[in-house]
Amino acid sequence: DIQMTQSPSTLSASVGDRVTITCRASQSISTWLAWYQQKPGKAPKLLIYKASSLESGVPSRFSGSGSGTEFTLTINSLQPDDFATYYCQQYNSYPWTFGQGTKVEIK
Amino acid sequence: QVQLQESGPGLVKPSGTLSLTCGVSGGSISSSNWWSWVRQPPGKGLEWIGEIYLSGSTNYNPSLKSRVTISVDKSKNQFSLKVTSVTAADTAVYYCARACIGGSCYFDYWGQGTLVTVSS
Repeated sequence: DIQMTQSPSTLSASVGDRVTITCRASQSISTWLAWYQQKPGKAPKLLIYKASSLESGVPSRFSGSGSGTEFTLTINSLQPDDFATYYCQQYNSYPWTFGQGTKVEIK
Repeated sequence: QVQLQESGPGLVKPSGTLSLTCGVSGGSISSSNWWSWVRQPPGKGLEWIGEIYLSGSTNYNPSLKSRVTISVDKSKNQFSLKVTSVTAADTAVYYCARACIGGSCYFDYWGQGTLVTVSS
């Protein structure tokens, strides 16, 4: 299985901050990576696919980059609605696997 | 707009079988997508369980493969999950999701999730 490791596990930030979350794969996954946002009691919501493609309807302050084994999700000018947990997911090879999550908290 | 809705018992006894169904509306389950199940134990991360295509082809997570069956009912526009020999470790929120859009297997539509508790 491909292991996905996110850092940090928890991040404290303020409204207006620029936030960066890192996701590392245990082997190369090209750009077969997605990012999701999950709020308590809700299903995950797709933000980014193919490492850097923004899903329709997702605000442009979200962006993704990377290839191979290292990827980042950046949120420019953090908004109150962005406080949530974020997961990366690889779809290079079965079984599809997720990172352990990064919780973005209010500072 | 595709919508997915999970249904099934919220409580299952240990050693029993967990059975859930995912109804698809706003789109056809016979479209060129795979249909997946993902679970999330309370307070923990996401685990992919498996997926099915309209032809009935399946892929499963090896960690669960011996206990999991996913099936599809095209006439009802729904697909189902069975997990046998459940234990407390199978307690989780179970989500159904649409995957594999144009060959890229991320999940773009999700059900709201249903909590299944394994307890006597």
